[in-house]
Amino acid sequence: GEEVAQTPKHLVRGEGQKAKLYCAPIKGHSYVFWYQQVLKNEFKFLISFQNENVFDETGMPKERFSAKCLPNSPCSLEIQATKLEDSAVYFCASSQGFLARATYEQYFGPGTRLTVT
Amino acid sequence: GQSLEQPSEVTAVEGAIVQINCTYQTSGFYGLSWYQQHDGGAPTFLSYNALDGLEETGRFSSFLSRSDSYGYLLLQELQMKDSASYFCAVRRNNAGNNRKLIWGLGTSLAVNP
Repeated sequence: GEEVAQTPKHLVRGEGQKAKLYCAPIKGHSYVFWYQQVLKNEFKFLISFQNENVFDETGMPKERFSAKCLPNSPCSLEIQATKLEDSAVYFCASSQGFLARATYEQYFGPGTRLTVT
Repeated sequence: GQSLEQPSEVTAVEGAIVQINCTYQTSGFYGLSWYQQHDGGAPTFLSYNALDGLEETGRFSSFLSRSDSYGYLLLQELQMKDSASYFCAVRRNNAGNNRKLIWGLGTSLAVNP
């Protein structure tokens, strides 16, 4: 598609439950980025993919967060045993081209608002 | 360490010009991006500066001074629809684990009639 699609729009989970978020990048884009935004503040980088390969996972709290981008499937971000502080909007972005441009010019989806109660 | 500083809020009137500054401290600096976000929605890419100087795109311009570790976004002929949050983000070199943008906290711009 011509836009980054994210599902669901809203997700409510009780503390300790699992949450799974999905992202379909723009067709032809080979890079996918996941961000966490709390209270409309900065975008905290979580992880990026180049096609199905992890590109940079330095922002991921690995003990509870995991992500995948498999061929012919939406990318996913999964949080095991959610905590209250995981409440945020999770944005997915995709980009194309050579690495430099792919890094600075990203196309964002509408986000998934996760509320942990 | 690395950090970006930008004002938290700016207010202006329709038709005016506003400048949103961004100063950064980071190693391996490559360039500065600007993004616009309306009311918590999907951010949209505005501009990117890798070299010193001014880049103009319609009513929006972006400036970079690498020697001063400073950049700004200039919005001219302000319209009500420009009310949004504006984020600067640094692109570092692509060695090792530096393959991502480092984001500022955003500047909330309110355009009044």
